[in-house]
Amino acid sequence: EAGVVQSPRYKIIEKKQPVAFWCNPISGHNTLYWYRQNLGQGPELLIRYENEEAVDDSQLPKDRFSAERLKGVDSTLKIQPAELGDSAVYLCASSLGQGDSLDTQYFGPGTRLTVL
Amino acid sequence: AQSVAQPEDQVNVAEGNPLTVKCTYSVSGNPYLFWYVQYPNRGLQFLLKYITGDNLVKGSYGFEAEFNKSQTSFHLKKPSALVSDSALYFCAVRVNTGGFKTIFGAGTRLFVKA
Repeated sequence: EAGVVQSPRYKIIEKKQPVAFWCNPISGHNTLYWYRQNLGQGPELLIRYENEEAVDDSQLPKDRFSAERLKGVDSTLKIQPAELGDSAVYLCASSLGQGDSLDTQYFGPGTRLTVL
Repeated sequence: AQSVAQPEDQVNVAEGNPLTVKCTYSVSGNPYLFWYVQYPNRGLQFLLKYITGDNLVKGSYGFEAEFNKSQTSFHLKKPSALVSDSALYFCAVRVNTGGFKTIFGAGTRLFVKA
């Protein structure tokens, strides 16, 4: 079974430029997560989708970040414009979407963003 | 505030020796605890979880974790470390804030020397 797929794996951009990340979750997983992992830290949730609906986006900086999950499968996370502090690894994860304590998340390899 | 702490930035152990990676938590209500491992340039991989029941949870790659309610700890253990176990380990707690959210610790780097 294929795991969570993310692209690109690496991205280097100049500040003020836009950037987008793509995620394809595990087939059949209803819940999709985007996390940001800064160097030396654990992942921090940016947004969580249940099917097409963003049910928790409280930590998403909405002035520059946006996300969508059309048709409840693939998802795209966008930053426009990027700032130096956005340099991090952006992780996508998916889970069956049981919506309870038993729901195990499976992570993609991440996209390492460097903003110059 | 609900949180999880990993007090050690790095743990060093010799191959063949037992290893322990520490984790403590602070949550209201019942804790749902997880361990993940991250290898270089790869995403987090699920190792094991505690939801309820037996305090000793067995997971992937020979790892186990012991839930201790009185000490609010969930330490990761392995009886005999391998060089290939060298990686970054994250403890996480799943909390219900009007919907379940996972909070990760800062991570502990495990270095196993041959």
